[in-house]
Amino acid sequence: QQQVRQSPQSLTVWEGETAILNCSYENSAFDYFPWYQQFPGEGPALLIAIRSVSDKKEDGRFTIFFNKREKKLSLHITDSQPGDSATYFCAASAGNTGKLIFGLGTTLQVQP
Amino acid sequence: GPKVLQIPSHQIIDMGQMVTLNCDPVSNHLYFYWYKQILGQQMEFLVNFYNGKVMEKSKLFKDQFSVERPDGSYFTLKIQPTALEDSAVYFCASSFSSGNTLYFGEGSRLIVV
Repeated sequence: QQQVRQSPQSLTVWEGETAILNCSYENSAFDYFPWYQQFPGEGPALLIAIRSVSDKKEDGRFTIFFNKREKKLSLHITDSQPGDSATYFCAASAGNTGKLIFGLGTTLQVQP
Repeated sequence: GPKVLQIPSHQIIDMGQMVTLNCDPVSNHLYFYWYKQILGQQMEFLVNFYNGKVMEKSKLFKDQFSVERPDGSYFTLKIQPTALEDSAVYFCASSFSSGNTLYFGEGSRLIVV
């Protein structure tokens, strides 16, 4: 049973476009939602994170939109660059446990 | 940014043998984690460790698994004996506190044959 779901599984955008990656979850107790970026052969690296008390978190070209009522969130990458090509994992946790529940990931390809 | 180092990067081992995966966490971090990722599946929590003790473990953390960090050296995951279903990439992570950012290593790919 997937507690954290991501869509689409893969996404291709042109350089300069906005990529939108979606995530949904089931457990109402989840209150922390990090997004990790992973390049081939490397470990996942924290990109941006949001807590459930907020509905938006912005960091440069990366923005998380969070809808607590619908248990959905999305990662928007504006002005996408070829260097953004990677797999993006949405994760969730409840309380300060460090026990993250990961989605399956969205593989993003940015075409120059 | 802070680096978590994992050794070995990959290992092939015969079923039934013992394997130890080593993790060198970020130097001032106090919490340590192991996650398991089978090919094509999501990364799953195995265990977290603090102050010399296992804090929480998942159902994936079988009796054949053990973790330790003797005298502040490597944080290790030992599997004894290994089974075919243990084939996966094992990611180590560390954090300064339990609610802080987890920093992941590059993973140790284990193949049990």
